[in-house]
Amino acid sequence: GENVEQHPSTLSVQEGDSAVIKCTYSDSASNYFPWYKQELGKGPQLIIDIRSNVGEKKDQRIAVTLNKTAKHFSLHITETQPEDSAVYFCAASNNTPLVFGKGTRLSVIA
Amino acid sequence: ETGVTQTPRHLVMGMTNKKSLKCEQHLGHNAMYWYKQSAKKPLELMFVYNFKEQTENNSVPSRFSPECPNSSHLFLHLHTLQPEDSALYLCASSQVVGAESSYEQYFGPGTRLTVT
Repeated sequence: GENVEQHPSTLSVQEGDSAVIKCTYSDSASNYFPWYKQELGKGPQLIIDIRSNVGEKKDQRIAVTLNKTAKHFSLHITETQPEDSAVYFCAASNNTPLVFGKGTRLSVIA
Repeated sequence: ETGVTQTPRHLVMGMTNKKSLKCEQHLGHNAMYWYKQSAKKPLELMFVYNFKEQTENNSVPSRFSPECPNSSHLFLHLHTLQPEDSALYLCASSQVVGAESSYEQYFGPGTRLTVT
């Protein structure tokens, strides 16, 4: 079955800097890769996703890149703000329920 | 708000109690999920319901019993739980189209369960 590895487990950045979180997956047939943000006391919230027919997708300050050959995908957050502080999860799927990474705790220091 | 609500938000129960968690989705989706989230572990998928039929049961102990009376409601019945079952229980929903799912899963806020 699918296995998703996520790095780093914790990340601290200065406000205004960029943050990058990386995930690798094992099943080359996986075709859907979402990213979730979980704030304290809340459930995970879908923030961006990408499908295997696209290499990059952007939405304002966040972007996701996908390298199918290497089987990895990354979340990029630019101009970080304190409200970006949260736990971020990646996931992968091949028309099956999502398999999640272990999460990255991002702290944006003002 | 994601359109997925869960009640109660917090629950403390003894090992001999019986309680139920409730999830409701207002998104018109046809698939619903239960996940367990423990500290320092990935999200663990427990159960999947497509069109009210259970399609996945990931080796979950029988002390957890799901129920899906319709495509908008999902319950998780709990009995004789163990302290290690203490966790955040998350409900999610998505739309399944034919043999494929859009897999845009939307999560509820979760129920924080403590077993004493």
